[in-house]
Amino acid sequence: QQPVQSPQAVILREGEDAVINCSSSKALYSVHWYRQKHGEAPVFLMILLKGGEQKGHDKISASFNEKKQQSSLYLTASQLSYSGTYFCGTEKDRLMLNTPLVFGKGTRLSVIA
Amino acid sequence: EAGVAQSPRYKIIEKRQSVAFWCNPISGHATLYWYQQILGQGPKLLIQFQNNGVVDDSQLPKDRFSAERLKGVDSTLKIQPAKLEDSAVYLCASSHGTSGWSKPMMNTQYFGPGTRLTVL
Repeated sequence: QQPVQSPQAVILREGEDAVINCSSSKALYSVHWYRQKHGEAPVFLMILLKGGEQKGHDKISASFNEKKQQSSLYLTASQLSYSGTYFCGTEKDRLMLNTPLVFGKGTRLSVIA
Repeated sequence: EAGVAQSPRYKIIEKRQSVAFWCNPISGHATLYWYQQILGQGPKLLIQFQNNGVVDDSQLPKDRFSAERLKGVDSTLKIQPAKLEDSAVYLCASSHGTSGWSKPMMNTQYFGPGTRLTVL
């Protein structure tokens, strides 16, 4: 039930845009996005809820398509600091408290000058 | 607000030896998680605690791994004996996990810096 992330890796020049997708074969309640820089802990970016609106964080935003059970992370006008590996963590149960997240394998993003 | 603390940051041992990792979650966070992250992979949940009780340990290799959170605050993860395939980063995370918060906020996890384990 691990979510599938695509692409596996992407290289951008500063100022370019990118989209990272996270898909699940199961119905989802929420999708959590994290960014991990090399040798560091994953850092929480945002959470998308079923039926919720698109979220934004500076020039990074995300959406949740319930029909496709897919979340997309949008990075606009990328900066060098955006480099890292992006993980989605999915939660499928809206009734149980503290259900664990299942993480995808990650998308490695490299932004070059 | 102080973040999740972990120690040690790095550990090198030989196979069949034992090792222990320590985690102190964010103050007030009821839920604590231990993850194993193998190079190039996403974090894989090993065990989840709610206060000092186990919520989920279905992916914990119980023949060699053990974890405890005796007082509902800090936690220890132990491997005994270690195998080569245990080489990974062990991440600890915590979340609010208590009533009074919206469900999404309850489950938002904050990670510690991790312990990089190398088994030779």
